[in-house]
Amino acid sequence: AQTVTQSQPEMSVQEAETVTLSCTYDTSESDYYLFWYKQPPSRQMILVIRQEAYKQQNATENRFSVNFQKAAKSFSLKISDSQLGDAAMYFCAYRSRYTGNQFYFGTGTSLTVIP
Amino acid sequence: DTAVSQTPKYLVTQMGNDKSIKCEQNLGHDTMYWYKQDSKKFLKIMFSYNNKELIINETVPNRFSPKSPDKAHLNLHINSLELGDSAVYFCASSLPVRGAEAFFGQGTRLTVV
Repeated sequence: AQTVTQSQPEMSVQEAETVTLSCTYDTSESDYYLFWYKQPPSRQMILVIRQEAYKQQNATENRFSVNFQKAAKSFSLKISDSQLGDAAMYFCAYRSRYTGNQFYFGTGTSLTVIP
Repeated sequence: DTAVSQTPKYLVTQMGNDKSIKCEQNLGHDTMYWYKQDSKKFLKIMFSYNNKELIINETVPNRFSPKSPDKAHLNLHINSLELGDSAVYFCASSLPVRGAEAFFGQGTRLTVV
């Protein structure tokens, strides 16, 4: 099974500053997708951004961008101009094309935004 | 309109009881999942259904039984509840295609006392 590792259990950032959350994964597949999900205190899981393994260009969604390094199997999330509403748990996820299309999640990073 | 809805949101019950959590999605997705989120926030796949057919059944005690009456519904029934079953259970759905995201319900916090 694929494994997804988030090595930072907790991170903090000053409001308006930039923070990068790390994610690495292990797979032998070449065709897959990667995702970042946000889980605020409300518990709802919200998609932040997705990246296709075949695309070299890093995905961007407003203040959120990724640094995807396929050879290194690394998929970090950069949050620019951090806002108080960005405070949440962030989960990196891998979607396999083959093993029942399930999503494999990392252990999460708890992000605190300091006013 | 809620895309993936779970009921109930909160469930407190005694050890040994049997309980069910219901999940419905109105997105027309073929694939539905149950995930368990433990106290450390780790999300673990429990079951996956595609068009009412079970395709993933992770190492889960057989006290947990999913039921999919149609592709819009995936319910989770738990027999003989134990203290260790306390967790947040998430239902999710997705299209079974490359790159499709998972849409999650709001979760059910189950507390076994």
